[in-house]
Amino acid sequence: NAGVTQTPKFQVLKTGQSMTLQCAQDMNHNSMYWYRQDPGMGLRLIYYSASEGTTDKGEVPNGYNVSRLNKREFSLRLESAAPSQTSVYFCASRTGVGEKLFFGSGTQLSVL
Amino acid sequence: DQQVKQNSPSLSVQEGRISILNCDYTNSMFDYFLWYKKYPAEGPTFLISISSIKDKNEDGRFTVFLNKSAKHLSLHIVPSQPGDSAVYFCAASARGNNNDMRFGAGTRLTVKP
Repeated sequence: NAGVTQTPKFQVLKTGQSMTLQCAQDMNHNSMYWYRQDPGMGLRLIYYSASEGTTDKGEVPNGYNVSRLNKREFSLRLESAAPSQTSVYFCASRTGVGEKLFFGSGTQLSVL
Repeated sequence: DQQVKQNSPSLSVQEGRISILNCDYTNSMFDYFLWYKKYPAEGPTFLISISSIKDKNEDGRFTVFLNKSAKHLSLHIVPSQPGDSAVYFCAASARGNNNDMRFGAGTRLTVKP
């Protein structure tokens, strides 16, 4: 019973490098989300996908792109990493409006 | 814009006593509210929720109260246990075209034996 799976769990990048964070859910959920967690800031929404084929910006989308590859997978891409993107990233999913979110275990990203 | 606010970064209570965690929101379109619990190095896990048509929801030791006129909700844990020590996040979402969910900054609860 995997739920929401994120890869990798840890990553260190140099400024300017690019990378993609992968997320997959096996619960047949329609909506998927990417959050970042920073001390004192809580969980801030980067992008979300209400359903397959749609994506929308959240609170802090600058410097990120997303792809809803299919119903199961939602990836987050950093094209040119910056130290300000050092954070813990969480992927989440839910059936739809009025339902709770299920989270992955997170990716700890450091940008040097 | 911080639409969901948790103004207390930390709370410490004695085992067996009541823990009260507070949350305020600014967006009047929010109609579904949740509390999540997070342990270190893990993802947040769902604890309890409440829809805007209710003012109270109870699940075992956990009760959430919603005051729509004040745009305020609170989580009560009675009795508190050391295993409840974690960071608690308040979250809110709205129906309609916008399907996002916003979180507060979190409150770190420490329950002392």
